[in-house]
Amino acid sequence: GAVVSQHPSRVICKSGTSVKIECRSLDFQATTMFWYRQFPKQSLMLMATSNEGSKATYEQGVEKDKFLINHASLTLSTLTVTSAHPEDSSFYICSANGDGSSYNSPLHFGNGTRLTVT
Amino acid sequence: AQKITQTQPGMFVQEKEAVTLDCTYDTSDQSYGLFWYKQPSSGEMIFLIYQGSYDEQNATEGRYSLNFQKARKSANLVISASQLGDSAMYFCAMREGPGGSNYKLTFGKGTLLTVNP
Repeated sequence: GAVVSQHPSRVICKSGTSVKIECRSLDFQATTMFWYRQFPKQSLMLMATSNEGSKATYEQGVEKDKFLINHASLTLSTLTVTSAHPEDSSFYICSANGDGSSYNSPLHFGNGTRLTVT
Repeated sequence: AQKITQTQPGMFVQEKEAVTLDCTYDTSDQSYGLFWYKQPSSGEMIFLIYQGSYDEQNATEGRYSLNFQKARKSANLVISASQLGDSAMYFCAMREGPGGSNYKLTFGKGTLLTVNP
């Protein structure tokens, strides 16, 4: 149980274009989804938290207009990197909370998306 | 201040030996959870083991055990009988909450474990 699917696994795009990454919970309803970014050989940094049906909460320093997050249903959240630039190249990974999850529940992660902006 | 501190950027261990990966944490909450994740070079995050702040016994999952010392705020991961497939990045993480945080997971900087044959 608790499977999170993330697509695409890899994407290469040209500078100035936008890229959409999908995160789906396959066998549970994800009331909350978290989006992380990871640079090579570094830790996961939380970008934003999205709750179904409401606006995402962004961490300090994360540009809301650059990284658009939508959580329109209980099984799908999307991250759109708008007007991508080479410095946006990174590993993006999502995770999801089911209803009733608390501090003692492990987060389950998608397999991540490696974005390369040329 | 960092909430999760992993002081070992890299560790080496011989196959079949045990290894301890260090983790200390900082929180003022009474209720929190501590987690260890493994990240192989392919990138996926694999949940290994969990320890709750109210748990009196150390958690164990197969070859993984967690040495939880609450007063010292440490939650070290012990891997017994290391295997070549254990070579990966290991992250210690903590969930606190709520306080509007949705119980977000905060990670340490990680330890790169290399198992030598």
